[in-house]
Amino acid sequence: EAQVTQNPRYLITVTGKKLTVTCSQNMNHEYMSWYRQDPGLGLRQIYYSMNVEVTDKGDVPEGYKVSRKEKRNFPLILESPSPNQTSLYFCASSAPGQGTDTQYFGPGTRLTVL
Amino acid sequence: QKEVEQDPGPLSVPEGAIVSLNCTYSNSAFQYFMWYRQYSRKGPELLMYTYSSGNKEDGRFTAQVDKSSKYISLFIRDSQPSDSATYLCAQRRGYGGSQGNLIFGKGTKLSVKP
Repeated sequence: EAQVTQNPRYLITVTGKKLTVTCSQNMNHEYMSWYRQDPGLGLRQIYYSMNVEVTDKGDVPEGYKVSRKEKRNFPLILESPSPNQTSLYFCASSAPGQGTDTQYFGPGTRLTVL
Repeated sequence: QKEVEQDPGPLSVPEGAIVSLNCTYSNSAFQYFMWYRQYSRKGPELLMYTYSSGNKEDGRFTAQVDKSSKYISLFIRDSQPSDSATYLCAQRRGYGGSQGNLIFGKGTKLSVKP
């Protein structure tokens, strides 16, 4: 089954404790992206990757890091989480050239930073 | 002005009603528009996409773009309780086959009452 998986699905942590949210897709997609979704602000892009070793900032990259060492994986790293990073995070992937931007979204990771 | 504006609702309609969901956009340079549907506790899924102006129909759903007024719409005919979800409009920043970034509206929460 074609899918995007994220782990963990729920995470409660404390300020300053480094964490990683993993994202993996099995569709051989070149393009992957991270979003955060907040009430009243909608979905906002954090980082995206056009291919292995190619990443770029989205609209709200501050406080986040990403890496793309393999095509299927695109982890999101919070080196020193703060309460304002409490949010619902989505990973997405798609294939170039489709034109339709059929981005397949993962199920989401709900992060709470205390 | 935000690049993509969307009334967050909520919108409540009786079963069988015609639903109209709307967004406005400010950047005319990019002409790919999408509608995503997001059920509670799930990731968004692509519903429809349109390019430039005109209508596109898929079953009970019609997507419409009006370039002159920078308005995009999604119409749902014969609405069903299963249509109850949050609907997100999006504009793709980018050209040709490249993915570019997606700019999302805040989403409109729709409830269809039996």
